Amino acid sequence: AQKITQTQPGMFVQEKEAVTLDCTYDTSDQSYGLFWYKQPSSGEMIFLIYQGSYDEQNATEGRYSLNFQKARKSANLVISASQLGDSAMYFCAMREGLLGGSARQLTFGSGTQLTVLP
Amino acid sequence: DVKVTQSSRYLVKRTGEKVFLECVQDMDHENMFWYRQDPGLGLRLIYFSYDVKMKEKGDIPEGYSVSREKKERFSLILESASTNQTSMYLCASSWVTGPQSNYGYTFGSGTRLTVV
Repeated sequence: AQKITQTQPGMFVQEKEAVTLDCTYDTSDQSYGLFWYKQPSSGEMIFLIYQGSYDEQNATEGRYSLNFQKARKSANLVISASQLGDSAMYFCAMREGLLGGSARQLTFGSGTQLTVLP
Repeated sequence: DVKVTQSSRYLVKRTGEKVFLECVQDMDHENMFWYRQDPGLGLRLIYFSYDVKMKEKGDIPEGYSVSREKKERFSLILESASTNQTSMYLCASSWVTGPQSNYGYTFGSGTRLTVV
């Protein structure tokens, strides 16, 4: 079974509007972390936002917020007031077993290509 | 500025060649990872290492090996390159312990490998 599912291969949004990128996950761990990364056409992966499974508040970082619905196992990224520079590939990722203290890899979704239209 | 540096941005190799992809980090991270990225498949883990000389297989280790002789350097080796290994390869590093937000990765800029 897919651990991270991103069902939107491509999305379009008008400049200055808000957009939501979907992410659902599957884990039996109680302690895990959810991440969103941005990958522009240049290829580098840019960390955007993090949500811990025990965090009660939804994470926010500037124009980015993470809509965390634990019971539904969803961790959607919301970008407010989209800018042309937001056009990029966006990846949702999960790290399980955070309390274990050992190396735990990130598992990534297949990504969503966001295009911001002028 | 902290960095993960991949030695090559673009590489073209011939089928059957032995290929080395190098990755160096300057953050004293314990963990290092190699992923490959293909359209529609996201990032898939090839190998990772949590200490010098330690390595563990990821989800798609076939056709690859790794070497970690020093903490800061993690090499990916394609023993005999094949055309289906044409891909973008991303190296990353991370802490083992620390504030949870640090459990994310710092990535290199990627190596786009073409095998002809």
